[in-house]
Amino acid sequence: NAGVMQNPRHLVRRRGQEARLRCSPMKGHSHVYWYRQLPEEGLKFMVYLQKENIIDESGMPKERFSAEFPKEGPSILRIQQVVRGDSAAYFCASSRFGSYEQYFGPGTRLTVT
Amino acid sequence: AQTVTQSQPEMSVQEAETVTLSCTYDTSESNYYLFWYKQPPSRQMILVIRQEAYKQQNATENRFSVNFQKAAKSFSLKISDSQLGDTAMYFCAFGETSGSRLTFGEGTQLTVNP
Repeated sequence: NAGVMQNPRHLVRRRGQEARLRCSPMKGHSHVYWYRQLPEEGLKFMVYLQKENIIDESGMPKERFSAEFPKEGPSILRIQQVVRGDSAAYFCASSRFGSYEQYFGPGTRLTVT
Repeated sequence: AQTVTQSQPEMSVQEAETVTLSCTYDTSESNYYLFWYKQPPSRQMILVIRQEAYKQQNATENRFSVNFQKAAKSFSLKISDSQLGDTAMYFCAFGETSGSRLTFGEGTQLTVNP
């Protein structure tokens, strides 16, 4: 049973470009969460999605960031017009409906130059 | 808002010895979940152990056990017979209900020395 998959593992973008991070949840999991980890810090919640629905986006920056989890395909975290401060590791986690356990992917390390 | 505090930024232990990592949290909820995650140098987040707040019995997973003190809002992790592979950053996390966000502490870097 494959775990949570994220790609790419490493992404380099110049300031002003767009970054697209993908997350495929574990089989049978319908909930997806995105977290951001800045250097030397813990993980901070960004957004919680179910298929075709954003449930909680209270941790998302108001501008430039968006997330989706379509009926088919992976969840996408999109960052428009990236800035140096967006450089971080972005983790996706998934869980089953009604479960409190979240399983994490390997993360995408975004570097903005 | 919930907060999670890990007051030990770094700890070290000799191989085969026991170490305890501290975690305190603040919440007004009566039912919630607590977790310890391990992040080795690979950066993968690995679930180590979980505890439901309504359960009085402390959770154990092989060499890992917790001391859950609900009234004191304390949730410490004990690692027995430490192994070199236990070297990692350890994060304490709080979850309000099923299907909700996790709030993480800032982490404790544990080094196991040979």
